[in-house]
Amino acid sequence: QVQLVESGGGVVQPGGSLRLSCAASGFTFSDYGVHWVRQAPGKGLEWVAFIRYDGSNKYYADSVKGRFTISRDNSKNTLYLQMNGLRAEDTAVYYCAKTSGQPYYFDYWGQGTLVTVSS
Amino acid sequence: QTVVTQEPSLTVSPGGTVTLTCASSTGAVTSGNYPNWFQQKPGQAPRTLIYSTSNKHSWTPARFSGSLLGGKAALTLSGVQPEDEAEYYCLLYYGGAQLQCVFGGGTKLTVL
Repeated sequence: QVQLVESGGGVVQPGGSLRLSCAASGFTFSDYGVHWVRQAPGKGLEWVAFIRYDGSNKYYADSVKGRFTISRDNSKNTLYLQMNGLRAEDTAVYYCAKTSGQPYYFDYWGQGTLVTVSS
Repeated sequence: QTVVTQEPSLTVSPGGTVTLTCASSTGAVTSGNYPNWFQQKPGQAPRTLIYSTSNKHSWTPARFSGSLLGGKAALTLSGVQPEDEAEYYCLLYYGGAQLQCVFGGGTKLTVL
């Protein structure tokens, strides 16, 4: 069965860095694009970034552009989110979400990993 | 900055029918926005119910349906069950040179 397992969350100081991972299993990871989506405590969902199946194209929300980098290692079935210059407003649960082909065909989600930016 | 708007809250009786909507600040929502709908219960990850306006996944209950209605995306629940009480989010896709996906603020559905 399809599984997406996020990891790498934790507490980091403002201005710091963190790298999140999303380990995929149960499907051919290299065939599908994947999103990162976040949710601040008690708030709604916010789209963060998308990467195509082969890593050829990457897209970002304006709120993270220039600070976050999405990448993937298809040999390891893993998606990454490198987060630099973290701010308090980046505090959220970060989810990876798989697509079934095109970027607008969402299907499976992971359970999320919590990132807290605080001094 | 594109804004996607949903009703903040709705209440429906068990067995009833309710429609949630999703509007775009850029104008009418079209099939080219490929609306997706997600359900999220407290303490859980979101679950995709509908993709590309009206397509269901294998796990989507038959009582959920998606459509375009009056320039908005719509999610209709027919024969609402108590377990449908949840937060519902829509997402719209904005293509072009810079792909953007924008979530609505969510609708808290209460079954009462």
